[in-house]
Amino acid sequence: KAGVTQTPRYLIKTRGQQVTLSCSPISGHRSVSWYQQTPGQGLQFLFEYFSETQRNKGNFPGRFSGRQFSNSRSEMNVSTLELGDSALYLCASSPRDESTDTQYFGPGTRLTVL
Amino acid sequence: AQSVSQHNHHVILSEAASLELGCNYSYGGTVNLFWYVQYPGQHLQLLLKYFSGDPLVKGIKGFEAEFIKSKFSFNLRKPSVQWSDTAEYFCAVNADTGFQKLVFGTGTRLLVSP
Repeated sequence: KAGVTQTPRYLIKTRGQQVTLSCSPISGHRSVSWYQQTPGQGLQFLFEYFSETQRNKGNFPGRFSGRQFSNSRSEMNVSTLELGDSALYLCASSPRDESTDTQYFGPGTRLTVL
Repeated sequence: AQSVSQHNHHVILSEAASLELGCNYSYGGTVNLFWYVQYPGQHLQLLLKYFSGDPLVKGIKGFEAEFIKSKFSFNLRKPSVQWSDTAEYFCAVNADTGFQKLVFGTGTRLLVSP
């Protein structure tokens, strides 16, 4: 099976712009989670989607949003970018929405905000 | 709120040395525990996980971890490390709430010298 894929892999934006990142889960996986990884804060949970519904949300401002499509693919959007949004954004998929399930991570999208 | 502590931020070992990385979590309920590894230039991969049963779990590449409930700990061990184990190791907790939300520790960078 192909792994989790994320596009684009690298992105450079300027402050105030918005950005959309895409994630394709492993075939058959229905849960998609997003994480932000920075040197200072480490890996932090953004949100989780299952069956096109946001099931859980981390402690991030409303500028961060996401959605999931009927084929389980997911997108996350960041509006009004700030310098501090520069990070590696990781997507992870799992078969179900169960906390015992392993989450399989993609390679990430590295976002740089100038 | 859950939290995860990894007390060793950087570890340097020679090949064949034994490894133990500490992980402590803060959460009063049932938890599912994970160790992930990130090799240089690669994405996060699962090493092992615990959610019930034998508290000593074995993972890939000779790694094992022991869940000690009374100490809220899930330490990672390997009897003899190899140069190829050079990577960053993350401990993570997923509270048994029915949702997917991994809370990660800050990570431990392991450097194994040949």
